[in-house]
Amino acid sequence: GQQVMQIPQYQHVQEGEDFTTYCNSSTTLSNIQWYKQRPGGHPVFLIQLVKSGEVKKQKRLTFQFGEAKKNSSLHITATQTTDVGTYFCAPPSGYALNFGKGTSLLVTP
Amino acid sequence: NAGVTQTPKFRVLKTGQSMTLLCAQDMNHEYMYWYRQDPGMGLRLIHYSVGEGTTAKGEVPDGYNVSRLKKQNFLLGLESAAPSQTSVYFCASSYSNSPNTEAFFGQGTRLTVV
Repeated sequence: GQQVMQIPQYQHVQEGEDFTTYCNSSTTLSNIQWYKQRPGGHPVFLIQLVKSGEVKKQKRLTFQFGEAKKNSSLHITATQTTDVGTYFCAPPSGYALNFGKGTSLLVTP
Repeated sequence: NAGVTQTPKFRVLKTGQSMTLLCAQDMNHEYMYWYRQDPGMGLRLIHYSVGEGTTAKGEVPDGYNVSRLKKQNFLLGLESAAPSQTSVYFCASSYSNSPNTEAFFGQGTRLTVV
């Protein structure tokens, strides 16, 4: 399936700082999903982006889909300890999802 | 509403042993998937199914077999376990109307092969 690169692989922030993770593809994507996995947990769906240039917000989380539909980002404003976990982007690949390697976020109080 | 249930949650196998991981979903989903998760590797697709009686290979199918005899169940089998199959296995399912809709994941099975 198509490959997506997620950067950074790890991010350690102080509580209250902002955080951004990027997902880049070499090919145009029809859509992209984002998931969050808490330590020891399972991936949980956050959002799906479909339209070019789309921006969606969920409280302190802002998701963007690039104009060319080759990249996406997740920005968290004023991180909290509850934001700890690994964030995955997942574009479609045939009938399944092709998960990036994820960005692990650690938030210290 | 249980969602996606995986059994067992933990298992230790000796090299060469066989086992079956069971995934059950109660959401009437057509699509079901098995992923494995290893440190630094993200989630990699092993096999998937687009409906009862169908299965297909994913990115890393070698050493695994699957069956979807009933719509609600998706079984993952390891015929002869190897240490390289030590991993966390996740089952997921999604709606039938569009293949790339939200995926619901089970709690995972942590498998260690010694």
